[in-house]
Order: sequence, then C-alpha cells, then structure tokens
Amino acid sequence: EPEVTQTPSHQVTQMGQEVILRCVPISNHLYFYWYRQILGQKVEFLVSFYNNEISEKSEIFDDQFSVERPDGSNFTLKIRSTKLEDSAMYFCASSRATGVNTEAFFGQGTRLTVV
Amino acid sequence: AQSVSQHNHHVILSEAASLELGCNYSYGGTVNLFWYVQYPGQHLQLLLKYFSGDPLVKGIKGFEAEFIKSKFSFNLRKPSVQWSDTAEYFCAVKLINTDKLIFGTGTRLQVFP
Repeated sequence: EPEVTQTPSHQVTQMGQEVILRCVPISNHLYFYWYRQILGQKVEFLVSFYNNEISEKSEIFDDQFSVERPDGSNFTLKIRSTKLEDSAMYFCASSRATGVNTEAFFGQGTRLTVV
Repeated sequence: AQSVSQHNHHVILSEAASLELGCNYSYGGTVNLFWYVQYPGQHLQLLLKYFSGDPLVKGIKGFEAEFIKSKFSFNLRKPSVQWSDTAEYFCAVKLINTDKLIFGTGTRLQVFP
C-alpha cells in the first residue's frame, strides 16, 4: 500500500539554525500539506501546496517557514532560523484531490527538537 | 473560530471493555469528519470518515462512529477493545471551503490485558 514517507524521523538542531524536513508524498497525489503537533497540544495545520504554489497557510506559517517541491517526488518544509518553540512533531500529508469528500494520507512524522 | 473538542484526554480500559470517545465540533455548515489513529512510532492512519449519507459509519478494526448533526458530535465506538488498540486517537473536521483539517487534542487510549 503506498504511503507518505518522511525523513528524518528525529532531528535535533541548535536554535538559529536552518532545518529542512523532507517528505515523499504518494506518487499520484497532487495536494500536499504540512501539520505540526507541539507536545501535549493539538495537531495544527501549517500549509497546503498545489501546482507549485501555496494554496492555503495558517497564522503559524510566517516568513521563517517555506515549502518547496524541488523535484517530482519530494516535498520539503524549511525553517529558516529555528526557535525553541519550533520543537514539535511535523507531519506531512498528501491527497489526490481537494475539497469536500476527500481524505489526506499522513506520514509518520519528524520529531524536531530545537536546543 | 472553528474548533474540535475531544473530552477524554486519557482513557484506560481492560481488554473486552467497550469504548466510546467523544468528539464535538463548532461549525454550523457542511463538514467532513474523520477519526485518525496513531500507534506508537507510526503514522497517522485513517480509522473512518463521514462525508454524507448514513450517519453511522464503520471503519477498520471494528471501529464505528455516529454523526449526530444536532449535537455537532462524531463519537467513536468499539464494542470490545483489544490490547492492540493502545494508541492515540484524533478526531478531525474538514470544512467544505478549505483544504485543511482541524484536529482535536487527541485521546490516549491504554488497553491492559
């Protein structure tokens, strides 16, 4: 069964450093998403991406964040200058379509620890 | 703002006990509803979903959920839990005019043999 894969599973970085989280969505999916979950809190939407453009983003997704689909298979989330409060589990997801009556498939997550 | 509430943060059950996890949302329009499960160290996996039609939906592993529109609820049930159901369970809502899922805080279920 096809699945969304994320690398690395755990990343530790120093405050102020740049990190790139990587995701390989399901191959025939066209819509891509990043979510995050700070320990003990809700899973929160960050951004959705379609046709090489951001289609929707949350208030959390400020100028420190960017997303890219550098080739035909990867989808990345970059945090330019990490802060302690960026420590969280980051989930990538993809879907074949969008709108009502569609479902997203999630990866296993990347745990980011900023020290 | 739209929100999803899961009232049970941590549930502990013995095997064969019945399970009901509550989920309520605040949004008056048309929604899609989901329950996801996350087993330790694994990805978020879809348990079941409601788009339209019969408000009682059946999912994988013997789970079911009932959409009660008047109560804005989508509670998850299983008549007899197993040790392997130990996981974190997330309720999520998708509004029709957006791509994003709005998640609840999750419920940690521990099942003891």
